[in-house]
Amino acid sequence: EAGVAQSPRYKIIEKRQSVAFWCNPISGHATLYWYQQILGQGPKLLIQFQNNGVVDDSQLPKDRFSAERLKGVDSTLKIQPAKLEDSAVYLCASSLELGGNQETQYFGPGTRLLVL
Amino acid sequence: AQSVAQPEDQVNVAEGNPLTVKCTYSVSGNPYLFWYVQYPNRGLQFLLKYITGDNLVKGSYGFEAEFNKSQTSFHLKKPSALVSDSALYFCAVRDGTNDYKLSFGAGTTVTVRA
Repeated sequence: EAGVAQSPRYKIIEKRQSVAFWCNPISGHATLYWYQQILGQGPKLLIQFQNNGVVDDSQLPKDRFSAERLKGVDSTLKIQPAKLEDSAVYLCASSLELGGNQETQYFGPGTRLLVL
Repeated sequence: AQSVAQPEDQVNVAEGNPLTVKCTYSVSGNPYLFWYVQYPNRGLQFLLKYITGDNLVKGSYGFEAEFNKSQTSFHLKKPSALVSDSALYFCAVRDGTNDYKLSFGAGTTVTVRA
């Protein structure tokens, strides 16, 4: 079974530029998550989708971050414009469903972003 | 509000010795608890979870964890550590009663020396 795919693996941009990350979840997984992991910290949830609807985006900085999952499969996370403090690893995860034994999250390899 | 604490930044053990990684949590409802491991330049890998049932949970790679409600703890254990267990370990919790958001601890770096 293929795992969660993410691209690119690494990205270096200058502040005020824009950047986009792509995620393809495990086939059949209805729930998709985007996390931000700053060096030395645990992952922090940015946004959570159930199919193509948003379940939780309370920690997404909506003035600069946006995410979509238009067809309920793959997803894109965008930052525009980027700030220095956005330097982090952006992790995508997916689970079969929300709740109960189906909610174990499986993570992709992440995209490491450096903002100069 | 929910939170997780991993009181030790680093744990060092000799190969073959028991390994324990500590985790305490705070939720207002029923806790759903998870352990993940992260190797360098890799995503998080699921080890085990507790949702309900037996307090002792067995997971991947010989790891187990014990849910202790009175102490609000969910410590990860392995009876005999391997050098290959050296990695970054994360505990995570969500409130099973009223939220789907998963909160992670800051992580514990485990080093197993040969």
